[in-house]
Amino acid sequence: ETGVTQSPTHLIKTRGQQVTLRCSSQSGHNTVSWYQQALGQGPQFIFQYYREEENGRGNFPPRFSGLQFPNYSSELNVNALELDDSALYLCASSLGNPSSYNEQFFGPGTRLTVL
Amino acid sequence: AQKVTQAQTEISVVEKEDVTLDCVYETRDTTYYLFWYKQPPSGELVFLIRRNSFDEQNEISGRYSWNFQKSTSSFNFTITASQVVDSAVYFCALSEKNFGSGYSTLTFGKGTMLLVSP
Repeated sequence: ETGVTQSPTHLIKTRGQQVTLRCSSQSGHNTVSWYQQALGQGPQFIFQYYREEENGRGNFPPRFSGLQFPNYSSELNVNALELDDSALYLCASSLGNPSSYNEQFFGPGTRLTVL
Repeated sequence: AQKVTQAQTEISVVEKEDVTLDCVYETRDTTYYLFWYKQPPSGELVFLIRRNSFDEQNEISGRYSWNFQKSTSSFNFTITASQVVDSAVYFCALSEKNFGSGYSTLTFGKGTMLLVSP
């Protein structure tokens, strides 16, 4: 069974640029959530995808957007990058209905640095 | 107000000592879940335990044990006979349902860094 994978591992961008981060969910998992973890902080919920639709969203501006594909993999897009977007971005997958408090399995994360 | 509070920012112990990591949560829901995750330096969050709000039984798994007390809204985590490999950041998290959309997700505390020295 393959776990959650994310790419790239590290990324350096400059202010104003756009970035796309990718996530492959654990085999069979149909729900994907994205989190932002700033240095020294706990992960913060960005949004969640279920059946290719955004199912819920945290307190993040619209320049954070995403997609989920039929194979349940997902992308996180961030436009007009700001310095404060520098963080570890974590993807988590879970199986079943998103309302079911299911255990989430996390990937290793993508470390984004904005200069 | 923080929904999940981990008051201990950093704890240092010597190998074989017991250590307890505190977690206090806040919710108005009657149904919720609590989680503990471990984050080693590699960055990946490793699931340790999930506990629902209706099950207050303490749980033990090897050197790990958890004490859930609804009366004090606490879900503390104890490592017995700590080892160097236990060094990591530990996060407590709360899962509630968003009644607008029906989804549930995780709200994390700020984490406690545990340093176990030989």
